[in-house]
Amino acid sequence: AQSVAQPEDQVNVAEGNPLTVKCTYSVSGNPYLFWYVQYPNRGLQFLLKYITGDNLVKGSYGFEAEFNKSQTSFHLKKPSALVSDSALYFCAVRDPYGGATNKLIFGTGTLLAVQP
Amino acid sequence: EAQVTQNPRYLITVTGKKLTVTCSQNMNHEYMSWYRQDPGLGLRQIYYSMNVEVTDKGDVPEGYKVSRKEKRNFPLILESPSPNQTSLYFCASSSSRGLNEQYFGPGTRLTVT
Repeated sequence: AQSVAQPEDQVNVAEGNPLTVKCTYSVSGNPYLFWYVQYPNRGLQFLLKYITGDNLVKGSYGFEAEFNKSQTSFHLKKPSALVSDSALYFCAVRDPYGGATNKLIFGTGTLLAVQP
Repeated sequence: EAQVTQNPRYLITVTGKKLTVTCSQNMNHEYMSWYRQDPGLGLRQIYYSMNVEVTDKGDVPEGYKVSRKEKRNFPLILESPSPNQTSLYFCASSSSRGLNEQYFGPGTRLTVT
């Protein structure tokens, strides 16, 4: 079955330090991978996606993610964390066998807390 | 401004009282979906629609109905809500299958007592 795992419920990092939010996936075929961020009382906002091509993908707000096919991972990274980055982050994969559903399979989310 | 809107944002209701959560997008997207978000479970798809008058079940459709009479609107209907439908609901839309990101509404927090 297709699945996405975010092994950390929460990641704590000091402002100015690099951050990594981990994501691994299990799908058959080539995955379409996404990262979304959710701020309190807001909907999900798209950060970046990997469809094909360069394994390092750059997105909004200085975030980037690295696709690693051999490790089936798509970790989200940022060189220098900001307090305003504190939010809930979701990794998602588009179900390659979803057909017309356009369904995203989401991880359970990782709460990023950046301390000043 | 491109956006997905949902109403109401917050709703408290009682078991069995029919309700509708509206969703509208102004991007002329073909695809629309409803998800529910529950702690520890992430988001799960309830229903989706490929285009006007074309809808189908997602992973957790029980207790829900949808309709797509116009391209921009995709309401979620709970004919007889139950407490296990207490959740945070998101509507989403996208312009094509898979390759483009989905745009999410702000969410509707529903409590059924």
